[in-house]
Amino acid sequence: DGGITQSPKYLFRKEGQNVTLSCEQNLNHDAMYWYRQDPGQGLRLIYYSQIVNDFQKGDIAEGYSVSREKKESFPLTVTSAQKNPTAFYLCASTLEGRWNSEAFFGQGTRLTVV
Amino acid sequence: GQQLNQSPQSMFIQEGEDVSMNCTSSSIFNTWLWYKQDPGEGPVLLIALYKAGELTSNGRLTAQFGITRKDSFLNISASIPSDVGIYFCAGQLYYGGSQGNLIFGKGTKLSVKP
Repeated sequence: DGGITQSPKYLFRKEGQNVTLSCEQNLNHDAMYWYRQDPGQGLRLIYYSQIVNDFQKGDIAEGYSVSREKKESFPLTVTSAQKNPTAFYLCASTLEGRWNSEAFFGQGTRLTVV
Repeated sequence: GQQLNQSPQSMFIQEGEDVSMNCTSSSIFNTWLWYKQDPGEGPVLLIALYKAGELTSNGRLTAQFGITRKDSFLNISASIPSDVGIYFCAGQLYYGGSQGNLIFGKGTKLSVKP
C-alpha cells in the first residue's frame, strides 16, 4: 500500500541532544513538508522540499535542519538549538510542488524532552 | 504573517445533530481545504475547494468556498460518535505564478455531550 510513514511514533530527548525524525513516502510525490503542532494550535511549517537536494525554510525553521538526498525520504533533525522541542511533528507530501487534493500526512511523531 | 480565524474553538455534539464551523481570513485565498485529525494521528483531507462559490459534499460533510474568497464553512449533518476529533481549515495563497504554502486554522474540537 502506498503511503507516508513517520518513525518513531514516540521519541524522548535529553536536554542538549540532537534527534532525527524519519519520514518516508512511496507515493512518488515530489514535494515533502514538515509541520509542528502544539496543543490548541494549528500546524506551523518548519521546512519544505519541492525536489531532491533542495529545501526551503518555513515559518519556524530555527533549531531544525533537514536533508533531501532521496525523493522518498525527508528526515528532520531537531537540534539542541531548538529551545522548546516538545511537540507533535507531522510530515506531509504532495504530488507536485503545490498543495492539492493528493496531499497526504504521516501518522506523526510525538517528541518529548526529558 | 497570515492568519486564519477558525470558530468555534470547541463544541459538544449530540448524536444526530448538525454541526457547523467556519474559517475567515483577512487575505484572499485561492484554495480552501478541510482536514480532520483524530487524537495522536495525522490529519486526513476531507474536502478541497478551488473556486469561489464552490459547494462540495463528501457524504454527510458539505463545505463551501466563500464568494469573497476570504472565508469557508464546513457542515456535518446528522453527526455520529465517530465525528469527534479536531477539524482544521487550511487556506492557500497564489503568488504570481506559484502556489504559496498552506496556512492552518487553530482547529475546532468536536466532543460528545456528556
